[in-house]
Amino acid sequence: EPEVTQTPSHQVTQMGQEVILRCVPISNHLYFYWYRQILGQKVEFLVSFYNNEISEKSEIFDDQFSVERPDGSNFTLKIRSTKLEDSAMYFCASKGGQGVYSPLHFGNGTRLTVT
Amino acid sequence: RKEVEQDPGPFNVPEGATVAFNCTYSNSASQSFFWYRQDCRKEPKLLMSVYSSGNEDGRFTAQLDRASQYISLLIRDSKLSDSATYLCVASEESGNTPLVFGKGTRLSVIA
Repeated sequence: EPEVTQTPSHQVTQMGQEVILRCVPISNHLYFYWYRQILGQKVEFLVSFYNNEISEKSEIFDDQFSVERPDGSNFTLKIRSTKLEDSAMYFCASKGGQGVYSPLHFGNGTRLTVT
Repeated sequence: RKEVEQDPGPFNVPEGATVAFNCTYSNSASQSFFWYRQDCRKEPKLLMSVYSSGNEDGRFTAQLDRASQYISLLIRDSKLSDSATYLCVASEESGNTPLVFGKGTRLSVIA
């Protein structure tokens, strides 16, 4: 079964550094998402991406965050200057159709630790 | 605010028990609903979609009450492998709108 893959599985960085989290969505999918989950908290929406542009973003997704689909297969999340509170599990997700019940496939996540 | 509320648990039940989880959502514009399962430090995985008429998938039954903005999940004949956190999820009508997750209800099935 096709999977969403994320790298790295764990990233440790110092406060103020830039990080790029990488995702390869399922190949024929058109809609891409980033969610995050702070330890012990709920899964929170960050951003959705379709047709090479951001469709929607949450309050969390401020100017420190950006997304890119540089080459038609990768989908990246960049955090320009990390803060301690950015420490979380970051999940990439994709889906093939726009139907409300079109299933969302999550990657296995990147655990970001900011020290 | 668009919130999904769940009893955090934990629910500790013996194998074979029947357990029910409840969830409420605050956004009346929500149109699609789901239950996801999340194992410790893993990604959420879709367990089942929740349709207006209610639906059943093996040992799992989901129900939706739009008037009360309430969703439920019933697990019959619990297995050890059902131990996980169950996430209630809602989304507005457009297929591309983000999912709103509840914080989850933790289930431990004990031998």
